[in-house]
Amino acid sequence: DQQVKQNSPSLSVQEGRISILNCDYTNSMFDYFLWYKKYPAEGPTFLISISSIKDKNEDGRFTVFLNKSAKHLSLHIVPSQPGDSAVYFCAASQGGSEKLVFGKGMKLTVNP
Amino acid sequence: GAGVSQSPSNKVTEKGKDVELRCDPISGHTALYWYRQSLGQGLEFLIYFQGNSAPDKSGLPSDRFSAERTGGSVSTLTIQRTQQEDSAVYLCASSPWSYTLYEQYFGPGTRLTVT
Repeated sequence: DQQVKQNSPSLSVQEGRISILNCDYTNSMFDYFLWYKKYPAEGPTFLISISSIKDKNEDGRFTVFLNKSAKHLSLHIVPSQPGDSAVYFCAASQGGSEKLVFGKGMKLTVNP
Repeated sequence: GAGVSQSPSNKVTEKGKDVELRCDPISGHTALYWYRQSLGQGLEFLIYFQGNSAPDKSGLPSDRFSAERTGGSVSTLTIQRTQQEDSAVYLCASSPWSYTLYEQYFGPGTRLTVT
């Protein structure tokens, strides 16, 4: 039973436009959420995170929104750049646990 | 400085053989994690080491899997009597402190193929 779901396997957007990556979770005890980015043949790298006490966190071109009632979070990238092309993983944890629960990932392609 | 390194980068083994995967964390990082990513799946937590504390082995899928961390640094993940379903990319991550979850720095992974 997947607790963190990224239902769309891929997304393609034009350079300069907004990319919106979605993530749903089923465990209402999750209280910390993270996004990781992964290039081929490399390990995932941390991108941005959000605590459940917030509904928005912004870092440059990247903004994560959290809707606790819907158990949904999204990552917005604007403007999108070709270098953003990668696989993006949503992850969650509860109660300060060191164990992260990951989604299956979504492949983002930003076309020049 | 140097990031997390893993070796080998690729490993092909026959079903039933034992394999050892190595992880060199970032120097000074006290926490070390092992994950695996099977084809089409997300990262699956396997085991977590923090300093000298007993490791959290709750994610290990069977008793064929074991891991150790020597001297609080290098870690080895051992899979005994490998099965085809063990084929996956095994990722290691380290962290400077356990509660800073976002500071898990990942290595490039070891791709294990069991034939």
